[in-house]
This record gives sequence, C-alpha cells and structure tokens, in this order.
Amino acid sequence: DVKVTQSSRYLVKRTGEKVFLECVQDMDHENMFWYRQDPGLGLRLIYFSYDVKMKEKGDIPEGYSVSREKKERFSLILESASTNQTSMYLCASSQFANTGELFFGEGSRLTVL
Amino acid sequence: QKEVEQDPGPLSVPEGAIVSLNCTYSNSAFQYFMWYRQYSRKGPELLMYTYSSGNKEDGRFTAQVDKSSKYISLFIRDSQPSDSATYLCAMSRMDSSYKLIFGSGTRLLVRP
Repeated sequence: DVKVTQSSRYLVKRTGEKVFLECVQDMDHENMFWYRQDPGLGLRLIYFSYDVKMKEKGDIPEGYSVSREKKERFSLILESASTNQTSMYLCASSQFANTGELFFGEGSRLTVL
Repeated sequence: QKEVEQDPGPLSVPEGAIVSLNCTYSNSAFQYFMWYRQYSRKGPELLMYTYSSGNKEDGRFTAQVDKSSKYISLFIRDSQPSDSATYLCAMSRMDSSYKLIFGSGTRLLVRP
C-alpha cells in the first residue's frame, strides 16, 4: 500500500512564526503536491514538484515555499504564518503526473493565532 | 463563479438507497474526471477515474460524464453506512492534467 505520511497532524502557531510541514512517501513516486482544504472552497493546489529540486507554483502559492531535497520528502514552508493560513494542509503523491490518481496523507491541521 | 460546483449537502439517505452525487463545471477543456471519497479526519482517496464522456462502473459505484451538459455524476447502489463520507469531484485539462480542480465536496450520511 502507498503510504504518504505527514509528520504533524495538529499544529498551533503564532502569527509571524516560521512553520514547516513535512511529508514523506514510500512508493518512489515522481510527483508530490501540497494542497490546502477549506470549507466551501475544496482543495486548492499550493505547489507541485515533479522531480527532486523541481517545483511549480499551483493556484495559491503566495505566502508559501517548498523544498524537495530528496525524492521521498516534500516540505511546505510558511515563512511568516498569518491567521488566513489557518487551514487543513494535505500532501499527495502520484507516479504519473498525467493521471488523476493522487495518494493523500491524512492531513495537517494548522491553526495560526 | 467557481470552475466546479458541488452541492455541499449533507445528503442523508437510508441504508440500501441509491445515491446520486453531482458536479457541474464551466470549463469545456476538462477531459479527466475523478471522484474522491474522504472519511472524517482522513485524506481523500480515489474512487473512480474517467476520461472524456461516458459511463464507468466499479462494483456498487457508477461514474457518468456528460460533457455536452458539463455535468458529472456518481451513483452508489445499495448504499451502506460505511459509505458515509464526503465525496469530492475533481477534473483536469489535457494540457495540465496534473492540476486537478476539486469541487468543495458533498457530505453523505447513510442511516442504518
């Protein structure tokens, strides 16, 4: 079974703090994604990586950066957290970018006070 | 206007009922259509995947795409309490097929 593991299920941070969300997948997938999920808005793509050290902006990259130093690990970074970044963050991976088969982690619920 | 519209529900049905979940979309360039199921406090998991128009069946689940009406459906036959979850439709264009556009999800409750 594909496993996508997000290291923190629940985080509470203060405005202005730097936040790291870590994601690891164990199926040697080429592609990894970060989404945020908000009520009424669905999932929105923040960043996408199709190879080590390669990344592409999604629909809502402002206020976020990413790092992919190893194939299995994709990190989402909030340089200076703000209250409007309170959300559920979902990491996903896929073997082929041109299919819709994403494997998701269980999510990291971030609250910024 | 959102690219993909989905009624949030909740939709409450008795066990054994046929469930119909739907999404409408505005972008005629969408070619790939998916349904994901998300249980509470879990990540979404892919249920059904279809390319272009037509029907696809997998056990109790049938996915239907009507590109002329820009409308997709997921039917669940003989619904079970274990089907209680949020169902998300998703779609993408051929030229950017990695970029899924998700509906906001319909919450389904199947009563025993």
